[in-house]
Amino acid sequence: GAVVSQHPSRVICKSGTSVKIECRSLDFQATTMFWYRQFPKQSLMLMATSNEGSKATYEQGVEKDKFLINHASLTLSTLTVTSAHPEDSSFYICSARDPRTGGNGYTFGSGTRLTVV
Amino acid sequence: DQQVKQNSPSLSVQEGRISILNCDYTNSMFDYFLWYKKYPAEGPTFLISISSIKDKNEDGRFTVFLNKSAKHLSLHIVPSQPGDSAVYFCAAQRLSGNTPLVFGKGTRLSVIA
Repeated sequence: GAVVSQHPSRVICKSGTSVKIECRSLDFQATTMFWYRQFPKQSLMLMATSNEGSKATYEQGVEKDKFLINHASLTLSTLTVTSAHPEDSSFYICSARDPRTGGNGYTFGSGTRLTVV
Repeated sequence: DQQVKQNSPSLSVQEGRISILNCDYTNSMFDYFLWYKKYPAEGPTFLISISSIKDKNEDGRFTVFLNKSAKHLSLHIVPSQPGDSAVYFCAAQRLSGNTPLVFGKGTRLSVIA
């Protein structure tokens, strides 16, 4: 089945630095990928929709200058958390839809636990 | 405004019994519903789904029921096993276009041996 690889799985960074998270579709091409964020005991909140070859679409309240998304190829989307602060500490998850399958074709990466100290 | 609601944050069930997880939604434009299982520090894994044109879908121990008029769906797991202990997320989407999933807050299921 469809596989989405997300890297790194855990990262600890200092305040003010930037962190890049990669999301790759391994056996299918994804023109669209989605980035979610999950706080403890909360739902997965959609941050942005990443579109290959064009600008990402951000959800209301998500700062596009802080969370930079690049979808340069059909198999790779990256999320860069710029000038990270402790409140950015969270669990970030990407997902992509395998166009060969139906509505249940959303596959999720394994997530990235970001801790900003 | 929570479009997908899971009002029970947790549920404990004895091994072998039935687990029933509930989900309500408010957006009548949703036409596809999914259940995901999630362990800590991992991404969600797909369990089962149902289209709005159906009222029931069964896959092994898992059955999802959809009541469109009540905007309510439920996931039944029978018999429940200790390995089923996890957080279960209900999700909904509009199938037209490449639209994202909208998730509920999840229900933590604990199956006690």
